[in-house]
Amino acid sequence: DIQLTQSPSFLSASVGDRVTISCRASQGISSYLAWYQQNPGKAPKLLIYAASTLQSGVPSRFSGSGSGTEFTLTISSLQPEDFATYYCQQLNSYPRTFGQGTKVEIK
Amino acid sequence: EVQLVESGGGLVEPGGSLRLSCAASGFTFSDAYMTWVRQAPGKGLEWVGHIKRKRDDGTAGYAAPVKGRFTISRDDSENTVYLQMNSLKTEDTALYYCTTQKDGASNYWGQGTLVTVSS
Repeated sequence: DIQLTQSPSFLSASVGDRVTISCRASQGISSYLAWYQQNPGKAPKLLIYAASTLQSGVPSRFSGSGSGTEFTLTISSLQPEDFATYYCQQLNSYPRTFGQGTKVEIK
Repeated sequence: EVQLVESGGGLVEPGGSLRLSCAASGFTFSDAYMTWVRQAPGKGLEWVGHIKRKRDDGTAGYAAPVKGRFTISRDDSENTVYLQMNSLKTEDTALYYCTTQKDGASNYWGQGTLVTVSS
C-alpha cells in the first residue's frame, strides 16, 4: 500500500497568514492526489483533485501543487473558516490511502 | 442538488453484523462509482472500499482490514449503495461515510452513520 505522510501534523496560524501543508507519498503517484478539508462535526469537503485542480466552488486562496512523491496545499491568506483539519489522499492505486491529517488552529 | 443519506448504523456486539445503506439523489446514480470511508472517533479518514458502475463491470474493492468481512453492493433501481458488515470487531467502531467519485476523488459526502461495536 502507498503511505502518505503529512507535515506538519499540527500548525498554529493567524488570519491572513500564508499556510503550506506537505504530503509525501511512499512511492510515485504522478498527479493522482486530492486534498480535503474537514471542520469539526462535519463531513470532509473536497478542495483539490489531480494535485492542482480546484473543485468547483472552492475559493481561489486554496491551491495545490506537486507530482510524483511531493505535494503541497497552500492557503494564500488564511480565513476564519479555514481553521480545520486537512487530509491528502492518493488516487493512484488501491487502497486509496489518506494522510494522517494536519490540524490548523488559531494562534 | 446531490444528496447522500446514510442509515443503518447502531450498536452491535463484537462478531455481529450490520448493513448500512446510502440513498443517493441529484445525479445519475448508475453512472457513478461509490465509495465508503470511515472515521474512528477522534481519528483520521480511512478508505473502506468502493464499487464500480455496472458498465465498468460493477465490481467492488476493499481495504485490507475489512476484506472478507465487508461487502459493498448497489441497487441502481433504488439509487442505493450498501455496506454489509459481518464479523464486526471493536476496531470497526467509526462514523461511516458514503461518497461519490469524480476523477477518483470523493466529491460529495453524506453526513455519515455511526457504528459502535461493543459488548
